[in-house]
Amino acid sequence: EDQVTQSPEALRLQEGESSSLNCSYTVSGLRGLFWYRQDPGKGPEFLFTLYSAGEEKEKERLKATLTKKESFLHITAPKPEDSATYLCAVQARGGSNYKLTFGKGTLLTVNP
Amino acid sequence: ETGVTQTPRHLVMGMTNKKSLKCEQHLGHNAMYWYKQSAKKPLELMFVYNFKEQTENNSVPSRFSPECPNSSHLFLHLHTLQPEDSALYLCASSFAAYNEQFFGPGTRLTVL
Repeated sequence: EDQVTQSPEALRLQEGESSSLNCSYTVSGLRGLFWYRQDPGKGPEFLFTLYSAGEEKEKERLKATLTKKESFLHITAPKPEDSATYLCAVQARGGSNYKLTFGKGTLLTVNP
Repeated sequence: ETGVTQTPRHLVMGMTNKKSLKCEQHLGHNAMYWYKQSAKKPLELMFVYNFKEQTENNSVPSRFSPECPNSSHLFLHLHTLQPEDSALYLCASSFAAYNEQFFGPGTRLTVL
């Protein structure tokens, strides 16, 4: 069974204080790993897809990296508007082509 | 309208009521999804439709009945729900099975 574990559950940062969120996964064969951002009362917003170990993607202050067992979402010099819940999901090869297995998310709060 | 829209945004219903949730995607995608998001739990995939055909039903109780009349519209018909069905119901779409999924804002459902 595919599993995704995100840590920490919650993270408080001061504005400008860089940090990383972790997503550990267990999957029979990884087709893709997805990062989403979710604001309170809203649907998840797509950020990145990573397909193979060593791959990196960047968007503004966010950078996602992937190894064979985990992914990191690095946040450089965060701003208060980066406060949100960050969700990680994996899609496995074989079985259901459509299913994303999500983690519980990391709630990020950036204080001014 | 752009992206994925959902109506209503909030719904309160009694256990004996019948109601429907509506989702529309304006992205030209071929697959549509219903997810349930409960507090402290990961997103749970409920149903998947690809080119209007249901391809997945993740052991969802029969009190939830999906309908997909075309690739742009998706409905979730609700009847005789239980209080534990209270949650945020999210609709998503993707171009194909392996592509990233784009989410709507969700319907916050409260069952009294």
